[in-house]
Amino acid sequence: DQQVKQNSPSLSVQEGRISILNCDYTNSMFDYFLWYKKYPAEGPTFLISISSIKDKNEDGRFTVFLNKSAKHLSLHIVPSQPGDSAVYFCAASVSGGYNKLIFGAGTRLAVHP
Amino acid sequence: GAGVSQSPSNKVTEKGKDVELRCDPISGHTALYWYRQSLGQGLEFLIYFQGNSAPDKSGLPSDRFSAERTGGSVSTLTIQRTQQEDSAVYLCASSLAIGYYGTGGIRDYGYTFGSGTRLTVV
Repeated sequence: DQQVKQNSPSLSVQEGRISILNCDYTNSMFDYFLWYKKYPAEGPTFLISISSIKDKNEDGRFTVFLNKSAKHLSLHIVPSQPGDSAVYFCAASVSGGYNKLIFGAGTRLAVHP
Repeated sequence: GAGVSQSPSNKVTEKGKDVELRCDPISGHTALYWYRQSLGQGLEFLIYFQGNSAPDKSGLPSDRFSAERTGGSVSTLTIQRTQQEDSAVYLCASSLAIGYYGTGGIRDYGYTFGSGTRLTVV
């Protein structure tokens, strides 16, 4: 039972263009969402998050959008850079608990010159 | 320490042997989590510690898996009688406190991962 789904295992984007990574969830109790970035042989690192009281959160080149009615969130990276090439994980949790994160399967982003 | 430290970074073991994986969390982080990532899969929750107790062990796949934490610090994940399906990257993370989301601002979420232990069972 996958509560968090990332249906695209990979994405290839040209440098300078926009990268859009998508994530869907099924559990309506989730109210906090995060994106993590993972390079090979390293642990995931926190990238950006959004609370369910918001529909958008922005940090420099990274923006996360949340559509609660559709149970969908997306990560936009613009402009994309070769250093953004990594695996991106979407995660969700229920606040008030103990921060247990439910992760998607990840999307491998390749940004090419 | 400055970050979450895991050892060994790589472990190759024969089927049927026992293995121990170690996690050193960030000093002062009371919450500790174990996850694993199998090939082509997402991060799968295994167990959560608050201090030395484990209120949620629901992700441990079988009774061959156990974990403990001592002194509110180091944690050890033990896999007995390893099987080939146990091959995965085992990741440890620590967090400052329960339900800590900071101010909701950027980069203030207290969940820090180690680099993982890649376990291969042959």
